[in-house]
Amino acid sequence: GAVVSQHPSWVICKSGTSVKIECRSLDFQATTMFWYRQFPKQSLMLMATSNEGSKATYEQGVEKDKFLINHASLTLSTLTVTSAHPEDSSFYICSASWQRPYNEQFFGPGTRLTVL
Amino acid sequence: AQSVTQLGSHVSVSEGALVLLRCNYSSSVPPYLFWYVQYPNQGLQLLLKYTSAATLVKGINGFEAEFKKSETSFHLTKPSAHMSDAAEYFCAVSDGSSASKIIFGSGTRLSIRP
Repeated sequence: GAVVSQHPSWVICKSGTSVKIECRSLDFQATTMFWYRQFPKQSLMLMATSNEGSKATYEQGVEKDKFLINHASLTLSTLTVTSAHPEDSSFYICSASWQRPYNEQFFGPGTRLTVL
Repeated sequence: AQSVTQLGSHVSVSEGALVLLRCNYSSSVPPYLFWYVQYPNQGLQLLLKYTSAATLVKGINGFEAEFKKSETSFHLTKPSAHMSDAAEYFCAVSDGSSASKIIFGSGTRLSIRP
């Protein structure tokens, strides 16, 4: 149980285009989803937290107009990188959680974004 | 505010030897502590978690960790390393509340020598 998927697993795009990454909780309803960014050989940095049906909460320094997050249902959240540039190339990982005695996040397999 | 510090960005041990990955935390509230493993180009897999129950936590793949409040530590150990243990390991902390953030350490890369 508690499986989270991401699609696509990797994507290459041209500079200036937009890319959408999907995060799905396959066997549970996620009240909260998180989006992380990971640069090579570095740790995960939280970008934003999203709750179903409400606006995402972005971490300091993350451009909300560049990284659009939508959490339209309890099983799906999307991250859209708008007007992507080479510096946006990274590994993006989502996680999902729901109301429990403690907060455990279940992580997706990640999406490798390369912007040419 | 919460934080974790992982001592040693790279640890190398021989196959069959003891694995010890160090993690110290800082938290103003009782923490929830986690160890995750990440294989190349993959997401994170939970190894084990401490949620204020037993201080010695056993996880998957033979790993365990002990919560020591007096030392603010949550070190990860495995008695005998296997080649398949080679990966990146992250210690993490949260306050356990609903939708709380997980704060990750910088990670430790574990290499296993034949």
